[in-house]
Amino acid sequence: DAGITQSPRHKVTETGTPVTLRCHQTENHRYMYWYRQDPGHGLRLIHYSYGVKDTDKGEVSDGYSVSRSKTEDFLLTLESATSSQTSVYFCAIQLASYNEQFFGPGTRLTVL
Amino acid sequence: AQSVTQLDSHVSVSEGTPVLLRCNYSSSYSPSLFWYVQHPNKGLQLLLKYTSAATLVKGINGFEAEFKKSETSFHLTKPSAHMSDAAEYFCVVSDPNTGNQFYFGTGTSLTVIP
Repeated sequence: DAGITQSPRHKVTETGTPVTLRCHQTENHRYMYWYRQDPGHGLRLIHYSYGVKDTDKGEVSDGYSVSRSKTEDFLLTLESATSSQTSVYFCAIQLASYNEQFFGPGTRLTVL
Repeated sequence: AQSVTQLDSHVSVSEGTPVLLRCNYSSSYSPSLFWYVQHPNKGLQLLLKYTSAATLVKGINGFEAEFKKSETSFHLTKPSAHMSDAAEYFCVVSDPNTGNQFYFGTGTSLTVIP
């Protein structure tokens, strides 16, 4: 699992509430990613980070923000959750350019 | 723009028979290509990767894939299916021009019939 943990693993929340998901890695990798997985869409990139305080948007970034204040933690925040953000969220790390990504166990988020 | 098309959303095979999961990609440059597997309620595990070395790539659990540039394909095969191969499989292309972002296919669900 390349030392990647995600918390919480499951969360149920209500529309309009803020939600923060945490990804933690133990091996000092530079690149970290947040994806969401929905049926029929595969995984889609939300945001990624290429270093501390260096982040960029992915394909489906609307409604999400991220922060990376230290190498090991990459946080994904839904400022005001909506039902369309019900999904499974995966964090990933990449060892270096051109290398494979390793994925965390996922967080299942349900927004009622 | 980079994209990946997995030609079959569902594949069903009998145990002991060959597996073929098809993937076509679109890329402006020489891509890196990957196959990942996801078992039910689990994370993604790398099966194999192509990064411009040998065009026939061998992966874990007896899987292999062949990169065919002329056909823009990267099909995944296994000679003999096992019950434990039942899972969702994702073909992925990595684009060096967009920070090596991963672009996922929509997945192929493999069912293995005993």
